[in-house]
Amino acid sequence: EIVLTQSPGTLSLSPGERATLSCRASQSVSSSYLAWYQQKPGQAPRLLIYGASSRATGIPDRFSGSGSGTDFTLTISRLEPEDFAVYYCQQYGSSPLLTFGGGTKVEIK
Amino acid sequence: EVQLVESGGGLVKPGGSLRLSCAASGFTFSSYSMNWVRQAPGKGLEWVSSISSSSSYIYYADSVKGRFTISRDNAKNSLYLQMNSLRAEDTAVYYCARPHNSGYDFFDYWGQGTLVTVSS
Repeated sequence: EIVLTQSPGTLSLSPGERATLSCRASQSVSSSYLAWYQQKPGQAPRLLIYGASSRATGIPDRFSGSGSGTDFTLTISRLEPEDFAVYYCQQYGSSPLLTFGGGTKVEIK
Repeated sequence: EVQLVESGGGLVKPGGSLRLSCAASGFTFSSYSMNWVRQAPGKGLEWVSSISSSSSYIYYADSVKGRFTISRDNAKNSLYLQMNSLRAEDTAVYYCARPHNSGYDFFDYWGQGTLVTVSS
């Protein structure tokens, strides 16, 4: 099983600042099959990024993903008020056995 | 518009059973594999189970293997999760999730979730 470790656990930032979230895999994620989701309280997760760097439909270009192998990054270039949420990474390279990271909470400083 | 609507959650005693349903609409249900993902209160996401479009391939997380059974009825556009021998650690919001139309197992559509509480 591929274990995904997200860091930091909590990121305290102000609107307009840049957010950099990390997702590290216990073994290489084949073909960069890594996705990112955003989740707000009481809501289902929302797909942001797939294939490590492809934005999902309707996702603003302030969200970007990068990385390969075992190290992946989600960057939010300038935080908007609606971006404060919890973010999860998910690998699907070892499909059908899928795993999620533990999440990073982006909170208002 | 794609819609996934879960139902069937509730309070059940340890050792009890519950059957969750997910009603799908707005897409050709029979063409997609489907998944259940859960989230314990205040915790992260955990993949639970998946079923291929024709039910030929079924997979479970180790944490539920032997206790949960996933199934689907393509004629009714519905996905199910039969949960037996429930434990306190199965307490969670259960989401049904549809993979992206690329065929890869990341999820672009989720239901609103149904809460399962296992407690005496």
